[in-house]
Amino acid sequence: AQSVTQPDIHITVSEGASLELRCNYSYGATPYLFWYVQSPGQGLQLLLKYFSGDTLVQGIKGFEAEFKRSQSSFNLRKPSVHWSDAAEYFCAVGATGTYKYIFGTGTRLKVLA
Amino acid sequence: DVKVTQSSRYLVKRTGEKVFLECVQDMDHENMFWYRQDPGLGLRLIYFSYDVKMKEKGDIPEGYSVSREKKERFSLILESASTNQTSMYLCASRGTSGGSYNEQFFGPGTRLTVL
Repeated sequence: AQSVTQPDIHITVSEGASLELRCNYSYGATPYLFWYVQSPGQGLQLLLKYFSGDTLVQGIKGFEAEFKRSQSSFNLRKPSVHWSDAAEYFCAVGATGTYKYIFGTGTRLKVLA
Repeated sequence: DVKVTQSSRYLVKRTGEKVFLECVQDMDHENMFWYRQDPGLGLRLIYFSYDVKMKEKGDIPEGYSVSREKKERFSLILESASTNQTSMYLCASRGTSGGSYNEQFFGPGTRLTVL
């Protein structure tokens, strides 16, 4: 069955520290992978996406993600977290020929001053 | 910039009422989606529409219906609201030029409370 797993429900980091949010997927076809961010009370905003090519993808707000096919992972990273990064982060996967995306259950990030 | 707007940010309704949630996008996107978001469950797809007057059930369609009479507008209807439909509802749209690689664009959400 197709699925997306974000194993960390909550993560707390100090401002200025590095961040890695995990995402693992199970998908039969070649996946398209996305990371979205949701600030409190807001809709989802795309941070970055991957389809093919360079497995290290750069996004907005200083985020990057690395696709590792052998590990079925697409982890999101940021070298230095800012207080404004506190939000919920969602990983999503889609595939050719389908309209639907599958979303993970989200990771809520708290940033300590 | 793509803009997806939802008719209300907050809505309070009573059990048994018929509820309409409206979503409008301004980028001529073919695909539109309705999700509900609940803590710990992430986003769950209720219905989606791949073009005008076309719709398909998502993962949790029970208790909901949809309407897409115009390309830019996608309505979610709760025929008889119940307390277990209290949730955040998110609308999204997606263009199809370029293929499945295109991302979905989300509206700000409607937080619905059913009393």
